[in-house]
Amino acid sequence: AQSVTQLGSHVSVSEGALVLLRCNYSSSVPPYLFWYVQYPNQGLQLLLKYTSAATLVKGINGFEAEFKKSETSFHLTKPSAHMSDAAEYFCAVSGDNAGNMLTFGGGTRLMVKP
Amino acid sequence: DGGITQSPKYLFRKEGQNVTLSCEQNLNHDAMYWYRQDPGQGLRLIYYSQIVNDFQKGDIAEGYSVSREKKESFPLTVTSAQKNPTAFYLCASSTDRSGATAFFGQGTRLTVV
Repeated sequence: AQSVTQLGSHVSVSEGALVLLRCNYSSSVPPYLFWYVQYPNQGLQLLLKYTSAATLVKGINGFEAEFKKSETSFHLTKPSAHMSDAAEYFCAVSGDNAGNMLTFGGGTRLMVKP
Repeated sequence: DGGITQSPKYLFRKEGQNVTLSCEQNLNHDAMYWYRQDPGQGLRLIYYSQIVNDFQKGDIAEGYSVSREKKESFPLTVTSAQKNPTAFYLCASSTDRSGATAFFGQGTRLTVV
């Protein structure tokens, strides 16, 4: 069965600092991996996804993530945080189940200090 | 514009009442999903449907029911059997292609009063 672990339910950075949100997954088949962002009382919006074409994936709003099979990780980074990046971020995996469902991590709330 | 519409955005229910949450999509997606979101627990799958007139239980289906009579619609009923229904509910849809991106609605916040 597939699963996702996001280390750190809350991360705080200063504006302009590096953003690093951690995600580790478990899957018995080559996974598809996703990062979504959620603003308060909103749905989820796709930031980026990994589908085996390239290990470094670039997404919207300056975010990127690197797939590392040896570490079973898919960490999300952004070189310089903006106030508008404050939101909750979810890592998800699919591929190792019927129905193509996403399995989500617990989420990481990113806070950006001025 | 194509997308997924959930309604209502906020819903209040008295204990012991059933309530139905609406989810409509015009993306021509075959698969639709319902997730429940609670603080600190991420999203948990309630039900999913890969084709009209067929649906499957997810991880937390107890106290919920769904129907899929039309490709565009996948309503969720929260029954009185659901012991802790206060939560944020998210509907999503995708193609049935492996690794397909799921697109989400804006959610419905249900509060039991």
